[in-house]
Amino acid sequence: EAGVVQSPRYKIIEKKQPVAFWCNPISGHNTLYWYRQNLGQGPELLIRYENEEAVDDSQLPKDRFSAERLKGVDSTLKIQPAELGDSAVYLCASSLDSTASNTGELFFGEGSRLTVL
Amino acid sequence: SQQGEEDPQALSIQEGENATMNCSYKTSINNLQWYRQNSGRGLVHLILIRSNEREKHSGRLRVTLDTSKKSSSLLITASRAADTASYFCATAKTGANNLFFGTGTRLTVIP
Repeated sequence: EAGVVQSPRYKIIEKKQPVAFWCNPISGHNTLYWYRQNLGQGPELLIRYENEEAVDDSQLPKDRFSAERLKGVDSTLKIQPAELGDSAVYLCASSLDSTASNTGELFFGEGSRLTVL
Repeated sequence: SQQGEEDPQALSIQEGENATMNCSYKTSINNLQWYRQNSGRGLVHLILIRSNEREKHSGRLRVTLDTSKKSSSLLITASRAADTASYFCATAKTGANNLFFGTGTRLTVIP
């Protein structure tokens, strides 16, 4: 069974440029997460989807970040314009199901490493 | 904001020794999970312990949970060089559907 697939693995851009990351979750997983991981830190949640609905985007910097999950499967995360502080690894994860009483195991992709110059 | 704090931040041991990592958190939880991350890779789930459990085993891993102290520990027995990685605890807060990760412990196992 294929795992969570992310692309690109690496991206180097200049500040003020746009960038987009793509994620294909494990087939059948309804819940999809985007996390940001700064160097030497743990992942921090940006947004969580249940099917195609963004149910928690409270930590997403909405002035420059946007995300979508078309048809409840693939998802894209966009940054426009990028700033120097956006340099980080952007991780996508999916899980079979998630309820308030049973947040289960997350399956992570390899991440997309962004460097903003 | 991150929910948990791991201790120590870094740990270096000889192959064959045991490694113990601790995690403290702040709010009530439904479960606590441990993940491993090799350098430059994604996170891999290791083990999940529910709030009504006190201890859980999986292979060479042993996890304990003390909800009264809001803390957990991960013990890796008979460590191997391949165990070298960063280890993160993640908490599923009561009433929330998200996992909140700690800052991680970087483990180095010297062959």
